[in-house]
Amino acid sequence: DAKTTQPTSMDCAEGRAANLPCNHSTISGNEYVYWYRQIHSQGPQYIIHGLKNNETNEMASLIITEDRKSSTLILPHATLRDTAVYYCIVRVASSRGKLIFGQGTELSVKP
Amino acid sequence: SAVISQKPSRDICQRGTSLTIQCQVDSQVTMMFWYRQQPGQSLTLIATANQGSEATYESGFVIDKFPISRPNLTFSTLTVSNMSPEDSSIYLCSGEGPDEQYFGPGTRLTVT
Repeated sequence: DAKTTQPTSMDCAEGRAANLPCNHSTISGNEYVYWYRQIHSQGPQYIIHGLKNNETNEMASLIITEDRKSSTLILPHATLRDTAVYYCIVRVASSRGKLIFGQGTELSVKP
Repeated sequence: SAVISQKPSRDICQRGTSLTIQCQVDSQVTMMFWYRQQPGQSLTLIATANQGSEATYESGFVIDKFPISRPNLTFSTLTVSNMSPEDSSIYLCSGEGPDEQYFGPGTRLTVT
């Protein structure tokens, strides 16, 4: 599975959009981009995933560049409860279960 | 979606002893996994728990230290054997659903 690179930490004002970048320059054609987050003292929570098209659900939007070498997770209206570590993970769909976690981005949403 | 519970939620153990952690899923999942999260670190996959057969371990993890069972589709146990202070971590169980992996709340283990 391809390696990902994320900023160590980011701040965001409450109510504003949080844009979390992820680089995955060695991604292969059959690898998906997954995003999970871990709120303090809890297990990781799935957010969204995509292959090459942009995706949106009730939690977030995922924007994948045309060359698929990077992506951005967007939380449209961040709240204090969105403070967490966000993990970008690249995974071949067939290697089910092989979630290889990097260090992630620690997002702090401030009032 | 699936809800995963773990027992115990936390424990303090003496070195040299063993602790068995239980993981229960409220619905069938295709695959179950065990992760370790050392203090201040990210998650590391320990092994895949296979139903009715030996678990598949990742590099750096061995069956003698982390024996795993999965007798059915919704239950698994992880034993941390002959513990040392370096085993102090959060141990998390997860299950693979159709589109995502669900995680339990974790078991916080402290070894003194």
